[in-house]
Amino acid sequence: DAGVIQSPRHEVTEMGQEVTLRCKPISGHNSLFWYRQTMMRGLELLIYFNNNVPIDDSGMPEDRFSAKMPNASFSTLKIQPSEPRDSAVYFCASSRSGSSNEQFFGPGTRLTVL
Amino acid sequence: GENVEQHPSTLSVQEGDSAVIKCTYSDSASNYFPWYKQELGKRPQLIIDIRSNVGEKKDQRIAVTLNKTAKHFSLHITETQPEDSAVYFCAANDSGYALNFGKGTSLLVTP
Repeated sequence: DAGVIQSPRHEVTEMGQEVTLRCKPISGHNSLFWYRQTMMRGLELLIYFNNNVPIDDSGMPEDRFSAKMPNASFSTLKIQPSEPRDSAVYFCASSRSGSSNEQFFGPGTRLTVL
Repeated sequence: GENVEQHPSTLSVQEGDSAVIKCTYSDSASNYFPWYKQELGKRPQLIIDIRSNVGEKKDQRIAVTLNKTAKHFSLHITETQPEDSAVYFCAANDSGYALNFGKGTSLLVTP
């Protein structure tokens, strides 16, 4: 198994530009999670899906952030327009359904907004 | 919602000593408590977890204890080695599908 796949691994963009992060969960996993990690705020849950349906997006910081999961093998996190304070590492994780199952993290996307 | 507190935020020990990291949680319905290790520049990876039907679990040099009454759980690393140096996160599940993570403990093991 390839594990959770994220792309790109690094993204450098200018303020105001649109950024799209991509994630492919582990095959057979029904739950998908997007996290943001910064030194100041630690690991924050942004949104998660179960069976492709968004369950809780209360962690999404602003309307500039949106996430979709059009099918069981693909999800995107979009930031539009991006701002310097969005600079962080964004992790995608997946698990079998249920919160008592191990979450497997992807390698992360390091986003820098200039 | 669930609130997970973790301490200390940094911990420095000498190689061979033990390290203990403690977490508390607020939701009495939580029943799954994983611990993740994150090395510099890498992804968090599960090292051990415990469910509420047991009080202690051990895997070689790593052990986790759970006190459901007091709502706290701890990670114990014995005979620490330099490769144990990393950031450790505790977490507790909520009533839905999510995990709530602590802020992390940066462990440094000095030779």
